[in-house]
Amino acid sequence: NAGVTQTPKFRVLKTGQSMTLLCAQDMNHEYMYWYRQDPGMGLRLIHYSVGEGTTAKGEVPDGYNVSRLKKQNFLLGLESAAPSQTSVYFCASSYFGRGGDTQYFGPGTRLTVL
Amino acid sequence: DAKTTQPNSMESNEEEPVHLPCNHSTISGTDYIHWYRQLPSQGPEYVIHGLTSNVNNRMASLAIAEDRKSSTLILHRATLRDAAVYYCILGQSGAGSYQLTFGKGTKLSVIP
Repeated sequence: NAGVTQTPKFRVLKTGQSMTLLCAQDMNHEYMYWYRQDPGMGLRLIHYSVGEGTTAKGEVPDGYNVSRLKKQNFLLGLESAAPSQTSVYFCASSYFGRGGDTQYFGPGTRLTVL
Repeated sequence: DAKTTQPNSMESNEEEPVHLPCNHSTISGTDYIHWYRQLPSQGPEYVIHGLTSNVNNRMASLAIAEDRKSSTLILHRATLRDAAVYYCILGQSGAGSYQLTFGKGTKLSVIP
């Protein structure tokens, strides 16, 4: 049982390049989330999904797109990377979307945009 | 915006109890109180959560004030591995999914 895994662990991009971050969970969770964490700050929600084939915007969605084609995977895309997107990206998942649920986080992807 | 207030940092001696406070004066009746922690260079990790009653698990205890406007995370015996940033978060339900709003948390240092 691997929990939540993220690929890649590190990435360096040049401004304008594109990339996709992959999140996978093996806990059969319905809900999945993408967060970003800037230095010295808490996490901020980018996008989330309440089930296969669904996505919704979070607090800071601009510049990102997501897809949930399979229940176990949640992809985060950057179409044209900008230096402001330099951050650590965390994926999380949970069984259901109610206030008492627990989110399980992946180890993070450290992205640098030059 | 995060709706909880925590001290920026705290220190504790190893093997002593630690009480981490959190204020959430605007909490609503359906909000759960969650605590997560983040060790250096890792993703956040669930610690404990509760609604109205005090809660215990193998990691920690959660003491919730009677008016629910504040809570305290209690680590019974701090170890060096407990050095982390601790986040107090309200679990709110909205738009079909509950969202965690992270503040800056409390950085706990454990002194050997």
